[in-house]
Amino acid sequence: GENVEQHPSTLSVQEGDSAVIKCTYSDSASNYFPWYKQELGKRPQLIIDIRSNVGEKKDQRIAVTLNKTAKHFSLHITETQPEDSAVYFCAATGDDKIIFGKGTRLHILP
Amino acid sequence: DTAVSQTPKYLVTQMGNDKSIKCEQNLGHDTMYWYKQDSKKFLKIMFSYNNKELIINETVPNRFSPKSPDKAHLNLHINSLELGDSAVYFCASRGGRGQPQHFGDGTRLSIL
Repeated sequence: GENVEQHPSTLSVQEGDSAVIKCTYSDSASNYFPWYKQELGKRPQLIIDIRSNVGEKKDQRIAVTLNKTAKHFSLHITETQPEDSAVYFCAATGDDKIIFGKGTRLHILP
Repeated sequence: DTAVSQTPKYLVTQMGNDKSIKCEQNLGHDTMYWYKQDSKKFLKIMFSYNNKELIINETVPNRFSPKSPDKAHLNLHINSLELGDSAVYFCASRGGRGQPQHFGDGTRLSIL
């Protein structure tokens, strides 16, 4: 069945450094890839997304890249700040079902 | 205005009881979902409805029964609650394919 693998499960970076979270998907029909951020006790919220006809998208300190051939997509956060600490989920969807990765807990160290 | 609202926010109840969680969205979306998030934070899809019709029904015990009276509402009824049902349940909606999901604030269900 469809699957989305997300790595790492936990990531600690020094404040100001960059963080990278990687995902791979199995369903070649997937064409939309959102990323969600979930702060402690809160709901998941969309932070950036990318469609299959685009290789890269950037929004201020956040960027996402997509390699359709390899079925990889990644989230890049530059100049990390304490408020970036959260759980991040990647997801892939091609039809009605959206498959989520298992999440990455990002810790920003002072 | 909260786009996706679910009630109650917290639900503490005894094993064996029956309970319901309600969800409403004011975004005009056609598709709604229920997710279960366990202590490890995995987001597991349970059900999806499109215009009141069930389109996704994952391997969920039949003690869980969703009901969609109209496309703006998707409620979840759970019979004979078990300890393993303790989790946060999220409702979400989506406007169409290739669109992001909007999540409610979650219902934290604790079974005693």
